[in-house]
Amino acid sequence: QKEVEQNSGPLSVPEGAIASLNCTYSDRGSQSFFWYRQYSGKSPELIMSIYSNGDKEDGRFTAQLNKASQYVSLLIRDSQPSDSATYLCAVKKGRGGSNYKLTFGKGTLLTVNP
Amino acid sequence: GAGVSQSPSNKVTEKGKDVELRCDPISGHTALYWYRQRLGQGLEFLIYFQGNSAPDKSGLPSDRFSAERTGESVSTLTIQRTQQEDSAVYLCASSLDQLWTGYGYTFGSGTRLTVV
Repeated sequence: QKEVEQNSGPLSVPEGAIASLNCTYSDRGSQSFFWYRQYSGKSPELIMSIYSNGDKEDGRFTAQLNKASQYVSLLIRDSQPSDSATYLCAVKKGRGGSNYKLTFGKGTLLTVNP
Repeated sequence: GAGVSQSPSNKVTEKGKDVELRCDPISGHTALYWYRQRLGQGLEFLIYFQGNSAPDKSGLPSDRFSAERTGESVSTLTIQRTQQEDSAVYLCASSLDQLWTGYGYTFGSGTRLTVV
């Protein structure tokens, strides 16, 4: 089982719709979870972080975490064509040794159609 | 600096040559990471530096790869005897102190390495 799994997509949604991006992780001891956006040819950009079960909202973005199910998601409301990018889920196991490093999923390509 | 700075932005080298990639982290960020991203692939962890602690080299793919960092400043990633499979974008990231796990990374714009 891969450490961090995402559906590679592409996920295609119409402008104004809600885009839902999903991620599962294998290590139950993981403590911190991050969503990065990566435009084609660019480096990843941090858009959301979440550490506790439940929802965390920031503008049009909502991150959801369910540690019991080892599942984290990102919702993008009122999707815009400028949201078209690859979204990377990243997990940090915690403190000590190599647990500080982020382990990334392969990303989900999102396309928002005008 | 204001962001993570990497140089060169692009590097084309002949197979068998050595290359050196440079990363200048955000001032005050004690943690520094190197990742590799091959075309169409995810981010592959290479090496991690935290202050003056011994680096975590667990991701380096072979002994042709090495990295150095002096204190909390610039890091260099060196690839010796480059091979075509080394072609990728090499991303550097830095982060605040790792005593709290919640800090994410800030990435540089990367170095695109092409081995011909």
